[in-house]
Amino acid sequence: GAGVSQTPSNKVTEKGKYVELRCDPISGHTALYWYRQSLGQGPEFLIYFQGTGAADDSGLPNDRFFAVRPEGSVSTLKIQRTERGDSAVYLCASSPGRFQRVPETQYFGPGTRLLVL
Amino acid sequence: DQQVKQNSPSLSVQEGRISILNCDYTNSMFDYFLWYKKYPAEGPTFLISISSIKDKNEDGRFTVFLNKSAKHLSLHIVPSQPGDSAVYFCAASPYGNKLVFGAGTILRVKS
Repeated sequence: GAGVSQTPSNKVTEKGKYVELRCDPISGHTALYWYRQSLGQGPEFLIYFQGTGAADDSGLPNDRFFAVRPEGSVSTLKIQRTERGDSAVYLCASSPGRFQRVPETQYFGPGTRLLVL
Repeated sequence: DQQVKQNSPSLSVQEGRISILNCDYTNSMFDYFLWYKKYPAEGPTFLISISSIKDKNEDGRFTVFLNKSAKHLSLHIVPSQPGDSAVYFCAASPYGNKLVFGAGTILRVKS
């Protein structure tokens, strides 16, 4: 399909392990966003890419979280030394990114449900 | 500090009637507001948006109203249909990039 895709759809890991979550944005979209949604809450912003660079990483909770987008398309969210509190749905979104600081509709993927045991 | 609040966790409406979902915000820097709809096991789907320079935007059965002085917006769905049953999120943007979401309101439309 032409939408945002995320893999895996579900990930179960043990406390202390390392995980990688992948996002494929809509083709041609230069802006990419990661959000985290905990149970009973709305999505919470983590990081925003414009092209290959992280334009705003103010939402990353600590240095265990890192994201890359080396070629300006696919992005990977990396979590080191996972903790039980990291359990959540991780959502990726993309938008055309034609202009900086101009509102654009963000299109979301289905999310990756992460469970840390 | 919740900058976007949806104070009603759930709303139940009869099919054919109007659904009104409310949202309040605290940050005066927000200049763009959106409503997303979410079904279980799916990502949020964009519904409708409004810029801070407008007070109303309409798209078919969906209308969003913005009251900047009260820092309040609402989503009206008329007429409500059973397929509208979902979680509705209000979101706001301070400068066009990251979105700040409310906690969501579960809408149930009864047939």
